[in-house]
Amino acid sequence: RKEVEQDPGPFNVPEGATVAFNCTYSNSASQSFFWYRQDCRKEPKLLMSVYSSGNEDGRFTAQLNRASQYISLLIRDSKLSDSATYLCVVGRTNAGKSTFGDGTTLTVKP
Amino acid sequence: EPEVTQTPSHQVTQMGQEVILRCVPISNHLYFYWYRQILGQKVEFLVSFYNNEISEKSEIFDDQFSVERPDGSNFTLKIRSTKLEDSAMYFCASTPGGEQFFGPGTRLTVL
Repeated sequence: RKEVEQDPGPFNVPEGATVAFNCTYSNSASQSFFWYRQDCRKEPKLLMSVYSSGNEDGRFTAQLNRASQYISLLIRDSKLSDSATYLCVVGRTNAGKSTFGDGTTLTVKP
Repeated sequence: EPEVTQTPSHQVTQMGQEVILRCVPISNHLYFYWYRQILGQKVEFLVSFYNNEISEKSEIFDDQFSVERPDGSNFTLKIRSTKLEDSAMYFCASTPGGEQFFGPGTRLTVL
């Protein structure tokens, strides 16, 4: 089983759509959880950290379910600029290595 | 806004040659990392570095790889004898603890 597993995608949605990405992780001792986005041939850029209480940043909402070892990202009112690959990232400790999922590619179309 | 920088942006080398990839982490960060991403594949952890020593490394990080923090600002990754399969994007990252911030990467091409 992969350490971090994401929806395979790709997701193709129209502008304005709501889209949800899911991610599961295998190590129950994991302590830190993030969503990054990566544009083609660029570095991963932090989108948001994920907390058990859930967190929201504008159109983006992230949730963590430790019991199910599951992380989600919801994007509301999709924009063309949201087109990217979304990476689920899990860390065993606060400053240890991060394990990346394979990524889920989103294309938002006009 | 402070950012992680990496040089060079693109390095082309012959198989068997040594390469050194350079990174300048964000100045008040304490933890440093190298990752690689082969074209079309996922980002893979190579090594983490804290307090002037390696804190964790992956199975990819074999004897051909080494890291160094030669001064207060630079963090380097050396590949002693490059192989064709070392061709990839190499990302440096740093953190004060928590979210990691990535540099723009060095694209290494081994011919």
